[in-house]
Amino acid sequence: EPEVTQTPSHQVTQMGQEVILRCVPISNHLYFYWYRQILGQKVEFLVSFYNNEISEKSEIFDDQFSVERPDGSNFTLKIRSTKLEDSAMYFCASSGTGGAYNGYTFGSGTRLTVV
Amino acid sequence: TQLLEQSPQFLSIQEGENLTVYCNSSSVFSSLQWYRQEPGEGPVLLVTVVTGGEVKKLKRLTFQFGDARKDSSLHITAAQPGDTGLYLCAGARGQNFVFGPGTRLSVLP
Repeated sequence: EPEVTQTPSHQVTQMGQEVILRCVPISNHLYFYWYRQILGQKVEFLVSFYNNEISEKSEIFDDQFSVERPDGSNFTLKIRSTKLEDSAMYFCASSGTGGAYNGYTFGSGTRLTVV
Repeated sequence: TQLLEQSPQFLSIQEGENLTVYCNSSSVFSSLQWYRQEPGEGPVLLVTVVTGGEVKKLKRLTFQFGDARKDSSLHITAAQPGDTGLYLCAGARGQNFVFGPGTRLSVLP
């Protein structure tokens, strides 16, 4: 069964450093997303991406965050200057025709720890 | 702000028991999804409900969308240890979905 692949599975970084989280969505999907889940808390929407541009973003997705689809397969989330409160599980997701209404396929996540 | 509440927050039952978990909001949703999340993994879609009053069955799981499309329930019959996990509901907000805090279910053998 097709799956969304995320790398790395764990990332530890020092406060103020830049991190790039990588995702390979399902190949024929058109909509891409980043969500995060702080330990013990809700899954929170960060950003959605369609047709090579951001279609929607939350208030969490401030100027420190950016997304990119550098080629036909990868979808990345960059955090420019990490803060302690950025520590969370970051999930990439994709969906096909119809977008999120047909359901997200989530990756297994990247656990980001900022120290 | 469209907030989803889920109850109970935690549920621990014996194998073979039946259970129902709830997802409630004061807002109307055009559609609602249920996911199950296991530790260290991303959420996995179980079902999408769209029509008020809709009932969907997935083996031992029965999902119902409230008539007013503000609430939903998930009923599990004869729970098994493999049902253990975090059950999340998510309501449509614009083109995306907002998640509830989840019900953490533990089914003991």
